[in-house]
Amino acid sequence: AQSVAQPEDQVNVAEGNPLTVKCTYSVSGNPYLFWYVQYPNRGLQFLLKYITGDNLVKGSYGFEAEFNKSQTSFHLKKPSALVSDSALYFCAVRDIGAASGTYKYIFGTGTRLKVLA
Amino acid sequence: NAGVMQNPRHLVRRRGQEARLRCSPMKGHSHVYWYRQLPEEGLKFMVYLQKENIIDESGMPKERFSAEFPKEGPSILRIQQVVRGDSAAYFCASSPTTGTLGGTEAFFGQGTRLTVV
Repeated sequence: AQSVAQPEDQVNVAEGNPLTVKCTYSVSGNPYLFWYVQYPNRGLQFLLKYITGDNLVKGSYGFEAEFNKSQTSFHLKKPSALVSDSALYFCAVRDIGAASGTYKYIFGTGTRLKVLA
Repeated sequence: NAGVMQNPRHLVRRRGQEARLRCSPMKGHSHVYWYRQLPEEGLKFMVYLQKENIIDESGMPKERFSAEFPKEGPSILRIQQVVRGDSAAYFCASSPTTGTLGGTEAFFGQGTRLTVV
């Protein structure tokens, strides 16, 4: 089965500094990877995804993620953090189902990002 | 195009009562997923449905929990004889049919916060 791991429960970064939220994956076959953000008392919002192609994926709100096949990683990055980026971030992988055309999304445990003013 | 709609947003039930959570997927989406999020924890996959079919219910507790996605109407997650441990946020997500590719992201609702008293 596919899985993702987010090794950090929390990441603190000063406003204006670059941020990285880590994610590693374990898949059989080609990985389809996603990042989501969750603000308090809200649902998850999609940020970006890697399906194929360029290893550097750009997404919403200035976020980007780098796919690294050799390290099986898909770290989320942003060059300059904002206080408003403080939220819970989830990495996810698509898990292929038994029947053709079926799949589900498996999420990591989440990383809480705190951007300090 | 309205997003994924979940209702109610908040639900309070006494121990032993039934909880019914509803989810209307985005227009044109035929895949529905239910996830549970406990306080300070990640998202746990519960069940994956297509119209009139349960595709994967490997994350559903064996007793008291059931889900359906009828031909007409919303998907329903039903919890019978609720206990305090069922208190959590329940999120529904939907995605379109993309054949075997599955490279699209899932879109989430705002969640239903169930409190069992």
